[in-house]
Amino acid sequence: GENVEQHPSTLSVQEGDSAVIKCTYSDSASNYFPWYKQELGKRPQLIIDIRSNVGEKKDQRIAVTLNKTAKHFSLHITETQPEDSAVYFCAAGLNDYKLSFGAGTTVTVRA
Amino acid sequence: DAGVIQSPRHEVTEMGQEVTLRCKPISGHNSLFWYRQTMMRGLELLIYFNNNVPIDDSGMPEDRFSAKMPNASFSTLKIQPSEPRDSAVYFCASSLAGYNEQFFGPGTRLTVL
Repeated sequence: GENVEQHPSTLSVQEGDSAVIKCTYSDSASNYFPWYKQELGKRPQLIIDIRSNVGEKKDQRIAVTLNKTAKHFSLHITETQPEDSAVYFCAAGLNDYKLSFGAGTTVTVRA
Repeated sequence: DAGVIQSPRHEVTEMGQEVTLRCKPISGHNSLFWYRQTMMRGLELLIYFNNNVPIDDSGMPEDRFSAKMPNASFSTLKIQPSEPRDSAVYFCASSLAGYNEQFFGPGTRLTVL
């Protein structure tokens, strides 16, 4: 099955700086790569996703890049704000359903 | 729409007891997922239903776990008998097949003493 590795496990950044989280996956057939944000005690919520026919996608301060050859994808958050503090999960999946999640990255934005 | 609804939000039970978790997916969604989240193992997919039919239950840890979806608006995850190692947050999620995005419910925090 799919195996997703996520680094780093924790990340502390100064407010206004950028944060980068990287994930690798094992199954070259995977074609859907979402990122979820989970605040303490809350449910995971989708923040951005990318499909294998796209190399990069941006939504305001968040961007995701995908390198299918190397089987890795990254989340970039620019101009970080305190409300960006949360656990971020990457995932990889095939078609409609089977998502394998990374272990998560705890991001702390220092004021 | 109220989103995915789960009940109960918290459950504390003793080892050996039966536990039933409930989920109501978003109206119109035809895919439903049960996940378990722990610090040690992260988010794990337990079972996936499409149009009320279990498609993949390879993540169900053992026979003590069972899941049903009797209709498009209701699903249950049952643990019988429960064990302390079952303590976790159980999430239900739903999606519209073909659109990928999974919407998670608020989760049920299960503690087995």
